[in-house]
Formats: sequence, structure tokens, C-alpha cells
Amino acid sequence: GESVGLHLPTLSVQEGDNSIINCAYSNSASDYFIWYKQESGKGPQFIIDIRSNMDKRQGQRVTVLLNKTVKHLSLQIAATQPGDSAVYFCAENDAGNQFYFGTGTSLTVIP
Amino acid sequence: GAGVSQSPSNKVTEKGKDVELRCDPISGHTALYWYRQSLGQGLEFLIYFQGNSAPDKSGLPSDRFSAERTGGSVSTLTIQRTQQEDSAVYLCASGRAGGQTQYFGPGTRLLVL
Repeated sequence: GESVGLHLPTLSVQEGDNSIINCAYSNSASDYFIWYKQESGKGPQFIIDIRSNMDKRQGQRVTVLLNKTVKHLSLQIAATQPGDSAVYFCAENDAGNQFYFGTGTSLTVIP
Repeated sequence: GAGVSQSPSNKVTEKGKDVELRCDPISGHTALYWYRQSLGQGLEFLIYFQGNSAPDKSGLPSDRFSAERTGGSVSTLTIQRTQQEDSAVYLCASGRAGGQTQYFGPGTRLLVL
């Protein structure tokens, strides 16, 4: 999983397989989380978000799971496609104005 | 609808020159953030604007960096006397309010020679 300060983790998956990208956070006061996708040469793109009163939220081909007990967040991508290749960031907010971002995980989809 | 736009998309400058980067947020968004992203790194917070309130400048790395937001909309980030270590992608994001979902622009890629 990703954590602020570490070099970029990488994940390679076969096209059609499911991908799981993990994120650990340290602030127990964080109550809002976002996953972003950043393709090469582009800005981060919002994928899905979740608030702390939920432990799971589903979107189109993506699911975010939140485990507040161990302060862990994951992004699951179903039937991964080549277009899913990108860097994925988690961001956390503790009801303040700022978000705190991890360094990201680089996902490579092998055709 | 229109997203966050930034200009220029790329900027090459010489060490010691000043640069101005522009951000046009999504219409109606009162929160605006500037971040810096170095190669392979996460997002480094620089400055935050919320409506007409005083900006949060706590992330600006030195007094060579400044930003303003005119009329609660367009923002410019100015870097004076650029240094090679300023080379990075500068990202702008806007949101309906602080702590709400942020939407990012495409970034300005700055290269200081």
C-alpha cells in the first residue's frame, strides 16, 4: 500500500483481472476519503469517495472499502482494462479545509 | 460543463526569471488550492483560498512563492527568481467549499534551466 514519504509502489495486473490498491492513513480524525486516478501528463481525476459513516461504496467497476479500525482504505477495480493504467492516489480529510495525499500507486495493466 | 483549466500547460524558463501560472476554477467553486508535484512524488500543498477569507499560505516553500485570487475566481501563482528545484508540475484544484471534493486541472509543467 501507499504511504506518504515512500517511493512509488507499483502493481501489475493482467487485463481482465481485478485490481486492489491499498492506502494506509494515520489520522484517526480523518472522516472523508477520495481516490484519484492520474494518467501520465494529466491532472488527478476524481474516481470515488467515501465518508467514515460507511465501510463500502461502489461505483462503476470500482469499489472503495474503508476499515477505520486499522485505518486502511482500498480501491478495487473490476475487470481491469488497459485504460486503467495510471497512478492512483488516496486523499484524506479530517473535516478541515485541507486534504492529505499519499504518494500513489502505479498500476500497469498487461494486455 | 467546463472543468478546472490551467495555463500555460508547459513553461520553460531560465534560472532567475519570474513565472506566472494561471488557474481558472470551476464556476461557483469558492475553494481553490495550489499543489506542487515533483516527479514520482505525491502532492505538496502550497496555498488555499476560500471565498474572501485570508488565504492559508502555510505550504508556500519560500517567500519567492506568492499567489492571489482576483474576484474570487481566477488565481495566479507567481514564482520569483526561479531555481532549478522549482521544476515540477503545479496543479490547481477547486471545490464547492473547503474540505469538499476537489477537482483538479491538468497542471502546468514548469522546467527551470
